[in-house]
Amino acid sequence: GESVGLHLPTLSVQEGDNSIINCAYSNSASDYFIWYKQESGKGPQFIIDIRSNMDKRQGQRVTVLLNKTVKHLSLQIAATQPGDSAVYFCAENNAGNNRKLIWGLGTSLAVNP
Amino acid sequence: EAQVTQNPRYLITVTGKKLTVTCSQNMNHEYMSWYRQDPGLGLRQIYYSMNVEVTDKGDVPEGYKVSRKEKRNFPLILESPSPNQTSLYFCASSQTGETKAFFGQGTRLTVV
Repeated sequence: GESVGLHLPTLSVQEGDNSIINCAYSNSASDYFIWYKQESGKGPQFIIDIRSNMDKRQGQRVTVLLNKTVKHLSLQIAATQPGDSAVYFCAENNAGNNRKLIWGLGTSLAVNP
Repeated sequence: EAQVTQNPRYLITVTGKKLTVTCSQNMNHEYMSWYRQDPGLGLRQIYYSMNVEVTDKGDVPEGYKVSRKEKRNFPLILESPSPNQTSLYFCASSQTGETKAFFGQGTRLTVV
C-alpha cells in the first residue's frame, strides 16, 4: 500500500501469479480514481480509472476495486509478467478542484521469473 | 504518434543560471501541467494550464514560472535555479474532461 517516507513499499511476486496493489485515499469528494504505471526511466503511464459511483472496473488483465466505506482502492494484475515490473501510483481526481490529481507515493512491483 | 516531448532529458547547471525546460504535445490537449518527482515525496504539481494564456499555481510553484502562448507548448522556466530544485521533472497533458494524462519522458535536473 501507500506510505509516507523515503522507501517505497515493495511487492515481489512470481511470474504468472496475481498481484494486488493497495492504496488508501483521503478525499471523499474525489470523482475519479486512477492507476498509473511508471517504468524505470519513463514517465507515468495511464492504466485504468474508476468513477466514484462504481466499485469495480476491469481492463485487460487488470481490475480496480473501490471501497468507499474505508477509502480503499486496489489494483489487481492477473498473470503477472516481467514487463509489469514498475512503480504503481494511485491518484484521485476532483473535477471541482481544477481537475487536480492527488498522487499516492507509489508501490514498487518486482516480478521474479 | 501521440506524445509529450520534453527537452532536455538531462541537465546539469549552476546555481542562479536561468534555464528553460520545454514541453510540447501533439494531441491538441487543453490541459497541461508540470510535476516534480522526488524520492519519498511522489509527484507534486508545480503549475498547470487549462488552456492558452490560462495558467495557475500547483502545490509547489515557488522558484518556477510557466507560459502558455500556444496550445501545444508549455515551457517551465527557472529564473534562478537553486540546489533544492534538483529533481526529476515531468510534463503532462490531457483532454478536458478526461482522466487520462499523457506524460513526457522526464527531465532530470541537477543544480550545483
